[in-house]
Amino acid sequence: EADIYQTPRYLVIGTGKKITLECSQTMGHDKMYWYQQDPGMELHLIHYSYGVNSTEKGDLSSESTVSRIRTEHFPLTLESARPSHTSQYLCASSESGGWNEQFFGPGTRLTVL
Amino acid sequence: AQTVTQSQPEMSVQEAETVTLSCTYDTSESDYYLFWYKQPPSRQMILVIRQEAYKQQNATENRFSVNFQKAAKSFSLKISDSQLGDAAMYFCGLNTDKLIFGTGTRLQVFP
Repeated sequence: EADIYQTPRYLVIGTGKKITLECSQTMGHDKMYWYQQDPGMELHLIHYSYGVNSTEKGDLSSESTVSRIRTEHFPLTLESARPSHTSQYLCASSESGGWNEQFFGPGTRLTVL
Repeated sequence: AQTVTQSQPEMSVQEAETVTLSCTYDTSESDYYLFWYKQPPSRQMILVIRQEAYKQQNATENRFSVNFQKAAKSFSLKISDSQLGDAAMYFCGLNTDKLIFGTGTRLQVFP
């Protein structure tokens, strides 16, 4: 069973607040990813990491930032939340190599008022 | 740049029937991998099936199979003997050094 966790599962917050979405995996995977899922369900890659101290921007420009200080942990931070950030954020991880399956977390549903 | 296109926002199928979900992609890479993922309502994304681009033989996983046409850059998913539990969003994915997805197809299964 895939062990990838996201907290919080739901977050409602006011405009201008700083937030951090947590993602952790216990599988020792090198690669980790953040996707933003629109209300219409389309998935956009916003950040990914090949391993510790590696972070890359995805195909969709995002005002969020990420860090990868430990293999198992890949948090996403929004310095100043806005209503346009309202979305679902999915974290995933995989072993290195394009063949390998990505395991997804349950997601964080963020609402910015 | 890599792109994935799913031209069917919604599909429906009767239980026990067969349905095919379409996917086309574009990449300049010669080595890549293709995936279909399923996202049931309010549940986590899970892998359905995957295909290596250099393998001509179409992948199969029980009731799920693909029709991989490399020259046409097409990667469709066929679900045979559809079940109510197959109802979900289905995402086609292309992995070169990172995995990107199409816009998804919502599959409804009617009894």
